[in-house]
Amino acid sequence: NSKVIQTPRYLVKGQGQKAKMRCIPEKGHPVVFWYQQNKNNEFKFLINFQNQEVLQQIDMTEKRFSAECPSNSPCSLEIQSSEAGDSALYLCASRQGRAEQFFGPGTRLTVL
Amino acid sequence: GQQVQQSPASLVLQEGENAELQCNFSSTATQLQWFYQSPGGSLVSLLSNPSGTKHTGRLTSTTVTKERRSSLHISSSQTTDSGTYLCVHNQGKLIFGQGTKLSIKP
Repeated sequence: NSKVIQTPRYLVKGQGQKAKMRCIPEKGHPVVFWYQQNKNNEFKFLINFQNQEVLQQIDMTEKRFSAECPSNSPCSLEIQSSEAGDSALYLCASRQGRAEQFFGPGTRLTVL
Repeated sequence: GQQVQQSPASLVLQEGENAELQCNFSSTATQLQWFYQSPGGSLVSLLSNPSGTKHTGRLTSTTVTKERRSSLHISSSQTTDSGTYLCVHNQGKLIFGQGTKLSIKP
């Protein structure tokens, strides 16, 4: 069973507002991923970290999101100025080495 | 880019029937995984199967790497099996299929 913790489970924001969500990876998992699942159930990779360093991110994330994984603190993903199209389920996953990824329960964001 | 195609998009069965889900992927997978997503959204890894056949409980996955296809067989389905089954190609970041929505009727 996954031990990845995500908070909050639900988040409601107005357009233009910041939206911040957090993730605590499984203990001992240095690699953290963020994915977005939109209303059409399509998954999109957003960004991943190894320890505190960004490994890979997509263009959208680089321009509109702020993400970090500080040591001894939860990882976070923040949309700087929410848009209606950002309404989605945001999933955090962690893994150890090259093993399979384990997912948290997700944060469901609604942008009004 | 990498693609993962799943079929059927949806499947409705009576409890006790077997379910067969298919997945085709566009390049040789370093790791091919099947996930279950509950109606609430939580993702659970079911099987990691880059090649060959693997079993766990009532689930059997067969992956033929050179043909770029994988299947997931659920035997003696139960109503609690209802949900979305996702075929995922793992090349570091995960590439998800569109999923098969499975509904098991009592």
